Amino acid sequence: NAGVTQTPKFRILKIGQSMTLQCAQDMNHNYMYWYRQDPGMGLKLIYYSVGAGITDKGEVPNGYNVSRSTTEDFPLRLELAAPSQTSVYFCASSYTRGPPGRGWYEQYFGPGTRLTVT
Amino acid sequence: AQKVTQAQTEISVVEKEDVTLDCVYETRDTTYYLFWYKQPPSGELVFLIRRNSFDEQNEISGRYSWNFQKSTSSFNFTITASQVVDSAVYFCALTPNYGGSQGNLIFGKGTKLSVKP
Repeated sequence: NAGVTQTPKFRILKIGQSMTLQCAQDMNHNYMYWYRQDPGMGLKLIYYSVGAGITDKGEVPNGYNVSRSTTEDFPLRLELAAPSQTSVYFCASSYTRGPPGRGWYEQYFGPGTRLTVT
Repeated sequence: AQKVTQAQTEISVVEKEDVTLDCVYETRDTTYYLFWYKQPPSGELVFLIRRNSFDEQNEISGRYSWNFQKSTSSFNFTITASQVVDSAVYFCALTPNYGGSQGNLIFGKGTKLSVKP
């Protein structure tokens, strides 16, 4: 299994440009997530999806859009890039493990995409 | 609200010293999970440990040990006899059990550990 893959690894955008960050997983996980990590900060949730066709906002969704047409893919779209979106973006997928009432989400992270907006 | 606080922004030690990274969390959930991740300079996130809220037994794995205290809402991480390869940013994270969330992790801001030779 390739696990969670992200492309590109690095990207420089000019202010106002748009782009799509790609994320794919081959583990048949229903849950997928996009996080961003600003310098010196922890990861914050942008969007998540609990299955194909179902997405919802996380803590910091402004300036982003997502879609989930298949179980495998969860692209993140940046419209009108701004310097505040300079960050490292991590995609993750998960599945549930453990007994009912005491289970957890086993989460797998991609390698990240480093985005700079200038 | 759920929150994870890592009060130590940066720690610098000399090789072979022991070092403890602090993590304090807030949650209203009765069952939850706590995690530690390592982020080396290469940038990927490396899973270190998962601990559930109903098991306060401490855990040791080689030079790593974790102390979970529900009474003080803390989940501290100790590296014994630190090595240069331990230099990284370490994140503490929290999530409810899968009946209570969509599975995303709540991260602290991280502690940057520098181990000097």
